[in-house]
Amino acid sequence: TQLLEQSPQFLSIQEGENLTVYCNSSSVFSSLQWYRQEPGEGPVLLVTVVTGGEVKKLKRLTFQFGDARKDSSLHITAAQPGDTGLYLCAGGESGTASKLTFGTGTRLQVTL
Amino acid sequence: SAVISQKPSRDICQRGTSLTIQCQVDSQVTMMFWYRQQPGQSLTLIATANQGSEATYESGFVIDKFPISRPNLTFSTLTVSNMSPEDSSIYLCSVETPGTAYGYTFGSGTRLTVV
Repeated sequence: TQLLEQSPQFLSIQEGENLTVYCNSSSVFSSLQWYRQEPGEGPVLLVTVVTGGEVKKLKRLTFQFGDARKDSSLHITAAQPGDTGLYLCAGGESGTASKLTFGTGTRLQVTL
Repeated sequence: SAVISQKPSRDICQRGTSLTIQCQVDSQVTMMFWYRQQPGQSLTLIATANQGSEATYESGFVIDKFPISRPNLTFSTLTVSNMSPEDSSIYLCSVETPGTAYGYTFGSGTRLTVV
């Protein structure tokens, strides 16, 4: 069984602060996706990274896939209350890209 | 993109009963996925449903407890059978987002409470 550990589990910060969420595994993934989930909704895809060392930016969010494709990070610059939610990384297994393994989740709260 | 309609959005059920959750997609998709999200936790894949064949269940999940139907390329149901309080969770369906290589679209989930 492939496991994806996220850290921190919980994060409460003030508006304007920066933060980084980590997603680590001992297994190699063919792709790594990041989702955000708000209460009462399903997860919404933020980004997919597929190449070791790849960095993608989405406005204030920066995503990085580790060189060995075993880990990833999400960095948020100048967090806003709208960033509040549950952040989930999800790995696509080599050879079976349709099957996702979700990380343990990071619950972020951004206050004014 | 795909739009998924999942219902019911929530339900409170008596132990020992069964609940069927429906998932309707606005486009034809090959595979549909059913996940469970226990309170405060991440998502765990229950099974993958292909049209015209038996669903493939993940370790720890069995067909007798979670029977799945996939009658066509836009619809699937998941039944939670003989429920106990431990089945209280959010159940979500998901499909590969059309036109993307790795993206997935999720329904808004069914919040089930078993009393």
